[in-house]
Amino acid sequence: KAGVTQTPRYLIKTRGQQVTLSCSPISGHRSVSWYQQTPGQGLQFLFEYFSETQRNKGNFPGRFSGRQFSNSRSEMNVSTLELGDSALYLCASSGGGASSYNSPLHFGNGTRLTVT
Amino acid sequence: SQKIEQNSEALNIQEGKTATLTCNYTNYSPAYLQWYRQDPGRGPVFLLLIRENEKEKRKERLKVTFDTTLKQSLFHITASQPADSATYLCALYGQNFVFGPGTRLSVLP
Repeated sequence: KAGVTQTPRYLIKTRGQQVTLSCSPISGHRSVSWYQQTPGQGLQFLFEYFSETQRNKGNFPGRFSGRQFSNSRSEMNVSTLELGDSALYLCASSGGGASSYNSPLHFGNGTRLTVT
Repeated sequence: SQKIEQNSEALNIQEGKTATLTCNYTNYSPAYLQWYRQDPGRGPVFLLLIRENEKEKRKERLKVTFDTTLKQSLFHITASQPADSATYLCALYGQNFVFGPGTRLSVLP
């Protein structure tokens, strides 16, 4: 079974621009969540989608948004980029149904975003 | 406020010894606790899940304990090898998954 795939692997953007990151979950997984990882803040939850609906949202500004398609693939968008948005963005899929807490997360290798 | 702490940012041990990593949490009542391994430049990889009614869980050289009274989980790697060098993260589920800051383990040959 193929793992979680994230594209692109690396991205360099300028302040004020916007960016879209893509995530393809493991086949059959309907839950997709996104995380931001920085050396200072660690791994922080952005949002989770399940069957095309946002099920949960973390404490990030509205510049961070996402969506999920009917094939469970997900995209994350960050508008009006700031220097502080430089981070590793990780996507994870889960085979859990209505509840996610007892299912392992399967992570992709992330998109490294650098904002200059 | 809710908080997850892991005992130290970095831990160095000699090959063959047992590594013990600690995860402490406050203001959570998790039904499950998970441990992940993360190598540089890669996403975390799931290792073990332990339920609140399980005192201990084992998988090969890995052992996890979960004490809901102490609000603590211990993660042990026995007969450690240099290949075990990585960052280890504990995770709880509140309204969503929350990860600890991680402990960077270095196993020295």
